[in-house]
Amino acid sequence: DIQMTQSPSSLSASVGDRVTITCRASQDISKYLAWYQHKPGKAPKLLIYVASTLQSGVPSRFSGTGSGTDFTLTITSLQPEDVATYYCQKYSNAPLTFGPGTEVSIK
Amino acid sequence: QVQLQESGPGLVKPSQTLSLSCTVSGGSISTSPYYWSWIRHPAGKGLEWIGRIYVGGSPNYSPSLKSRVTISVDPSKNQFSLSLSSVTAADTALYYCARGSSTGGFDYWGPGTLVTVSS
Repeated sequence: DIQMTQSPSSLSASVGDRVTITCRASQDISKYLAWYQHKPGKAPKLLIYVASTLQSGVPSRFSGTGSGTDFTLTITSLQPEDVATYYCQKYSNAPLTFGPGTEVSIK
Repeated sequence: QVQLQESGPGLVKPSQTLSLSCTVSGGSISTSPYYWSWIRHPAGKGLEWIGRIYVGGSPNYSPSLKSRVTISVDPSKNQFSLSLSSVTAADTALYYCARGSSTGGFDYWGPGTLVTVSS
């Protein structure tokens, strides 16, 4: 089965900073990758699918790139409401594995 | 607007079977190209995909849970269900149901339901 890794596991940045999270698949998954934002007490929220397509209603400061095995999620200007854990997830075929998550906080 | 809602016991005894249902409203569970999944979030850990089912299709399960999991769907009730047998404390988690598609990940989620395994 394909394994998903993320780096870093956590980061702390200032409001307005550019933040980049990396996700790597152990095998080629083409562009079948999604990114989610998960805040405590809430259901995860789909941010990006097909590696780079922004879900409707998601702020444009979020963007995704990549294909094959290497992917990135970028927040161009970090806002206080972006404090959350971010997960990548492959959906090319079952099992639909999530990455271990990246916890984002404000300095 | 599609909505999902989990329901089921919040407390299950060790070695027993955890059973949850997810009711879908605002759309038919039989609509293509969607599938229906269960995902859980143990406290202090990451999201874990449990399995999925398409209406009229065979389910797929996480390899680590496959021996204990059954996911089924009832189109007449617009519901799908999770059964997890022989539970232990390690199965204590917030359980979510969600809608997925081959084109776009999980776009609709239930609010989640906490299941605690304890005697």
